[in-house]
Amino acid sequence: GNSVTQMEGPVTLSEEAFLTINCTYTATGYPSLFWYVQYPGEGLQLLLKATKADDKGSNKGFEATYRKETTSFHLEKGSVQVSDSAVYFCALSERNTGFQKLVFGTGTRLLVSP
Amino acid sequence: EADIYQTPRYLVIGTGKKITLECSQTMGHDKMYWYQQDPGMELHLIHYSYGVNSTEKGDLSSESTVSRIRTEHFPLTLESARPSHTSQYLCASSENTGHYNEQFFGPGTRLTVL
Repeated sequence: GNSVTQMEGPVTLSEEAFLTINCTYTATGYPSLFWYVQYPGEGLQLLLKATKADDKGSNKGFEATYRKETTSFHLEKGSVQVSDSAVYFCALSERNTGFQKLVFGTGTRLLVSP
Repeated sequence: EADIYQTPRYLVIGTGKKITLECSQTMGHDKMYWYQQDPGMELHLIHYSYGVNSTEKGDLSSESTVSRIRTEHFPLTLESARPSHTSQYLCASSENTGHYNEQFFGPGTRLTVL
């Protein structure tokens, strides 16, 4: 079945450091890929998405590129801020296979200190 | 901006009580979902709906039940709450075309059963 594997957290960084959160997936067909972010006490918000190979999703300084050859969708940001502290979820959705459910990774907590 | 609402945000209740968690969306989405999020952050799909009068069990077995009488409303009910039901419950909805299944999440209900 489809699955998503994320690096375990917490990831602890100082402000302005470079961020990478690894995400790899296993899927049949051609999935769409997502990064969601969950701030403390809130629900999930879509951060960015990519719907086909080599697409780059970007938002709020975050980027991720859909790499079919390595089945990866790593999240990156050049300079993190304290306000980026949150839990980040990688997810996939396979197209055109009946009812499309999102398959989530286990989440990676990011802690940014001043 | 997503318009999906959950009430209550926090609920502390005794064992054996019947509870209903409310979820409403104003986006006209046909598809709606309930997730249970454990303290380790992992998300588990417990119920979903294609539309009015449609409900299905998700990937994680749950003693809760759901109904979908109106498009905008997808309440979740526990007939007899137990401490094992203590968790965060997240409601979501997605667009009708469903090609990419981008889901919009509510803020969640944190349930504690004593």
